[in-house]
Amino acid sequence: ILNVEQSPQSLHVQEGDSTNFTCSFPSSNFYALHWYRWETAKSPEALFVMTLNGDEKKKGRISATLNTKEGYSYLYIKGSQPEDSATYLCARGDNFNKFYFGSGTKLNVKP
Amino acid sequence: DARVTQTPRDKVTEMGQEVTMRCQPILGHNTVFWYRQTMMQGLELLAYFRNRAPLDDSGMPKDRFSAEMPDATLATLKIQPSEPRDSAVYFCASGPGSETQYFGPGTRLLVL
Repeated sequence: ILNVEQSPQSLHVQEGDSTNFTCSFPSSNFYALHWYRWETAKSPEALFVMTLNGDEKKKGRISATLNTKEGYSYLYIKGSQPEDSATYLCARGDNFNKFYFGSGTKLNVKP
Repeated sequence: DARVTQTPRDKVTEMGQEVTMRCQPILGHNTVFWYRQTMMQGLELLAYFRNRAPLDDSGMPKDRFSAEMPDATLATLKIQPSEPRDSAVYFCASGPGSETQYFGPGTRLLVL
């Protein structure tokens, strides 16, 4: 079993604030790291997949970095908006495409 | 815009009844996953298939749950008999091999 941990568990920020959260995972036999955005009453939506140490991905105001040697990934949101409110999940994938999900960081952006 | 579809979207049933949930993966995807969303454990993997063959169903209570892929366009998850503790949202996801998984809208199950 791969323990994927995310912190913080929840986060409350004001509109316009920039924020970041952490995903930690075992670094041995690394294959891929996935980030998902999960809005309440909807299904998880893929944000990024990263495979190489030092990878950086960006989509609009959201970006992510990956350090496979030390086993962590950061997700950054610049200038948070109320529509960014969601739970952000990370998952470490193995070479059979089995995902080991963290418990998520629940972000609430107040107008 | 290809999507994973799941039916039914909502199901209310009584304890002891059989429940069947269906999933149509995205055409061409060869891996299919069943997850359960719980308050305590977030997304819990129940079973997954690769090229229709079951690879891992260790997360599934074997005495009452079963998962099958009768063909490449249909995956099923059955619970017989259902119990109130099975109440949850069940997600199906599919993927093109060792890449991103794409999630369906989920089946919300309530067992009374």
